[in-house]
Amino acid sequence: GESVGLHLPTLSVQEGDNSIINCAYSNSASDYFIWYKQESGKGPQFIIDIRSNMDKRQGQRVTVLLNKTVKHLSLQIAATQPGDSAVYFCAEALFGNEKLTFGTGTRLTIIP
Amino acid sequence: DAGVIQSPRHEVTEMGQEVTLRCKPISGHNSLFWYRQTMMRGLELLIYFNNNVPIDDSGMPEDRFSAKMPNASFSTLKIQPSEPRDSAVYFCASSLRTGDSYEQYFGPGTRLTVT
Repeated sequence: GESVGLHLPTLSVQEGDNSIINCAYSNSASDYFIWYKQESGKGPQFIIDIRSNMDKRQGQRVTVLLNKTVKHLSLQIAATQPGDSAVYFCAEALFGNEKLTFGTGTRLTIIP
Repeated sequence: DAGVIQSPRHEVTEMGQEVTLRCKPISGHNSLFWYRQTMMRGLELLIYFNNNVPIDDSGMPEDRFSAKMPNASFSTLKIQPSEPRDSAVYFCASSLRTGDSYEQYFGPGTRLTVT
């Protein structure tokens, strides 16, 4: 029979434009959130994290926004570059517990 | 800094055989994690250790899977006997828990194919 796998949401963005990747997390008790980037054939790589006592945190070209009311997390990447093409995962945890629960991921493709 | 080292990078084996995956965490890190990634289930935590002690093994699928961490610089994940449904990419990650940071550093993964 036909195999059924996870259907990764995809996002295509023109090089130089900004991108926004969204994530809905599941556990209302989660108070620590992380974004990871996974390039083809490699392990996930940490991008940025945020604790629940914040609603925004900025890094280099990246910003994470947290809306606890609707259990929503987003990752904004400014001035996208070809090297940003990857699968992006959000992960949630209870602060103090190192166990991460990963989302299904979003595939971002940068169009030259 | 060599990062997390995993071996082998690729493993092809027949159903029923024993498979051992190896991981060397980043020197100085005190937590080690084993994950499995498949198209069907995404990225799942199997087990993690802190200071060489297993803390949470609730993600280990069944008794066929076992993990050890005999010292701070080495861990193994063993599958015996292997089955085709174990085919996946297995990642090892390590971290040094400090204050507000829980950054986990992932290795390149071992792609396991069980025929």
